[in-house]
Parts: sequence; C-alpha cells; structure tokens
Amino acid sequence: AQSVTQPDIHITVSEGASLELRCNYSYGATPYLFWYVQSPGQGLQLLLKYFSGDTLVQGIKGFEAEFKRSQSSFNLRKPSVHWSDAAEYFCAAEGGGSYIPTFGRGTSLIVHP
Amino acid sequence: DADVTQTPRNRITKTGKRIMLECSQTKGHDRMYWYRQDPGLGLRLIYYSFDVKDINKGEISDGYSVSRQAQAKFSLSLESAIPNQTALYFCATSTGAGELFFGEGSRLTVL
Repeated sequence: AQSVTQPDIHITVSEGASLELRCNYSYGATPYLFWYVQSPGQGLQLLLKYFSGDTLVQGIKGFEAEFKRSQSSFNLRKPSVHWSDAAEYFCAAEGGGSYIPTFGRGTSLIVHP
Repeated sequence: DADVTQTPRNRITKTGKRIMLECSQTKGHDRMYWYRQDPGLGLRLIYYSFDVKDINKGEISDGYSVSRQAQAKFSLSLESAIPNQTALYFCATSTGAGELFFGEGSRLTVL
C-alpha cells in the first residue's frame, strides 16, 4: 500500500540551529512529493514540491528539501530556524496520476529561544 | 478574503444531531476535497470531487456524506454526529497539478 512516514512526532530545536525533518515514502514509482506547514489555528500552506529533475528543491521561508531515490526519502531542511517556524509540518505524496495526496502524520516543531 | 472559505469555523453539537460544514472557493478549481485532522494521525481523506457530477469516497467516509452544489461549493454532512467525529475538518481545492489549497479549518466538537 502507498504510504508516507514521518518518523518524528516532535522535534525541538534552539532558535538559530539547523533543522532536518524526515519523510519516507512507499510507492511503486516515484510519486510527486510535497511539504506543507500548518501554523497554529491555520490551514496548511505549501512549502515546496518535487515532481522531477533537480533533487534539491527550494521552497518558501528559506526551506529546502532533498529527494533521494535510493532511500525513498524527501527530507526538509532549514539552515537556521526562527521562532516563527514553530508549527506542524506535513509531508505528502501523490502517485499514479491519482490526484489524491497521501499525508504523513506530521511533525511538530518546537523552537526554543 | 480567503480563496477557500469554511463555515462554521467552530461548532459544538450533541450526539445524534445533523451537522453541515460548508466550503466555498474563489480559485476556480474543479477538484475539491474534505480531510479530517486528528492529533497524531495527520490528515485523512473523507470525500473528494473532481467536478460537479463526480463524488468519490475517501479512506474514512463512513458516517459522512457530501454535496457538490456548484463548482465553487462542496459541503460535508454528518447525518447523526457521534463523539469520535470530534476533529478539525479541512476543505481543500486543487487544479490537479499537485498543490492543494486549504481553508482555515472547521473545528467540530461532538458532546
């Protein structure tokens, strides 16, 4: 079955530190891949997406993600975290022309001052 | 104004009551979705619609129904609400090119 796994339920970092949120997928072929962010009381907003081509994808708010086919991973990174980055982050995948994204369970990012 | 608007934003109701959550969009997208969010479970798809005459069940459709009144409107109904339907509900739209556009959510509490 197709699935998206985010191994970390919570991640705590200090402001200014680097960040990496993990995402693994299980699909028959390489799916489209997405990262969304949900700020408290808000809906989800797209950070970045990968369809094909360059495996390092740049997104909004200083985020980037790297697609690694050999590891079935699409990890999200940011070199220096700001307090305003505290939020819930969701990885999602869409495959086989379904137009139906499957979401991971989310990772809650806590930022300490 | 938001591109995807959900009403109500918050609702408290009692077991057995009928509830309707409404979603309207100004993005002109054909594809619309209803998701449910529970802590630790991420987003799970309830129903989706690719055009006005197309309605499809998602992974957790039991206990829910939908209506696509127009391209811009997609409503979710709970015919007889139960406490385990307490959750945050999201409507989303898409062009089919991958990105979903979400409303701000409707928080439903069933007592």
